[in-house]
This record gives sequence, structure tokens and C-alpha cells, in this order.
Amino acid sequence: NAGVMQNPRHLVRRRGQEARLRCSPMKGHSHVYWYRQLPEEGLKFMVYLQKENIIDESGMPKERFSAEFPKEGPSILRIQQVVRGDSAAYFCASSEGHSSYEQYFGPGTRLTVT
Amino acid sequence: GDSVTQMEGPVTLSEEAFLTINCTYTATGYPSLFWYVQYPGEGLQLLLKATKADDKGSNKGFEATYRKETTSFHLEKGSVQVSDSAVYFCALSDPTQNTGNQFYFGTGTSLTVIP
Repeated sequence: NAGVMQNPRHLVRRRGQEARLRCSPMKGHSHVYWYRQLPEEGLKFMVYLQKENIIDESGMPKERFSAEFPKEGPSILRIQQVVRGDSAAYFCASSEGHSSYEQYFGPGTRLTVT
Repeated sequence: GDSVTQMEGPVTLSEEAFLTINCTYTATGYPSLFWYVQYPGEGLQLLLKATKADDKGSNKGFEATYRKETTSFHLEKGSVQVSDSAVYFCALSDPTQNTGNQFYFGTGTSLTVIP
């Protein structure tokens, strides 16, 4: 049973480019969460999605960041016009149900903005 | 708001030494508490959890007790092995609050065990 998959594992973008991070949840999981880990900090919640719906985006920056979880395919975290401060590790987690205590994490995507 | 404060690392121990990683929390409701572990190149894995005061979570020789009076959830292991080398994250979630979907994480503590 494959775990949560994230790709790419490493992504390098120049300032002003777009970054697309993908997350495939565990089989049978319909709830996806994105977290960001800045250098020397803990993981910070960004957004919680179910299929085709954003449930809670209270942790998302107001500009340049968006997330989706379409009916088919992986969840996508999109960062437009990246800046150096976006450099971080982005983790995706999935769970079986709402407010489920068990969130299963992917290996993360390390984004570097040059 | 809710938050977790975790002992800073890195921590280096000899094999078979006793491990303690401190974690304290601030929460407005009735949180559940977790320890996650991240091995090199992998995602975070749930190590143990406790959902109410005085509960003890345990797994793979690791233990942590949910202490409401000291708002703590310290991780302990009596005899560490080289294979325990990893980064450990303390976290909380409070399903009774409208932030129940979120986990709040500490900054992580890197542990290296040397033979």
C-alpha cells in the first residue's frame, strides 16, 4: 500500500517563475493537507482540501499561493511569481476522514528559489 | 493561539543512553498530542499519540505522558539505538476547536545516536 506521494522531491525555480507541487494521497484518503516548513521553524499549516473543495485555507498567504484537489488526479499547490522567501520544504498529508487524528505525511518537496 | 515548544537540538547520544526530548504546549481547548519522527529522506511518521490528560502513548520503546498540569508531553526512551537517529516533532491537534483540521508542530529535534 503506497504511502503519500509527493513530486518533485526537489524543485529549483528562479525568482518570478511558477512552482507546482503535487501530492497524491494514500489510497482511500479523500482529505489532503499542505504544510510548509521554513528553515529553522516547525511545520506550519497552510490549507485543507477535500475532493474539489477547499475546506480551510486559513494558513495560506493571501497572494500568489493557491491549492486544488480535483476529482481526478493529485492535489496541486501552486506558487506564482516565486520569491526567495518561498524557499522551504512543503509537506502534504492525507487522512481518511474529517478531523481524523491520523494524518499520513509525504516525504516533502524542497523548493529552492534562486 | 495553540502552539508547541520543543527542545532545541541537535542531540547526540551514545548507543544505549537514555533519551528525553522536552515538549510543552499551549492550547485553548482539549488537544490531542503527538510525536512524529522523520528518518532521512522520508516523510513524517506517527510515532505515538495521547488524546487526553494522563494518557501515555508508547511505541517502539518510546513513551510520552500527557501532563495537563505542566502542559507537557516529553518523549523518552530508556536505551536508544543507532537506528533511532532521526528528527522528532512534537505536535498537537484540537478537534474541539474550529482549527481542528490543523496540526501545530514544534521545530523538530535532531537526534544522532553513535555506536
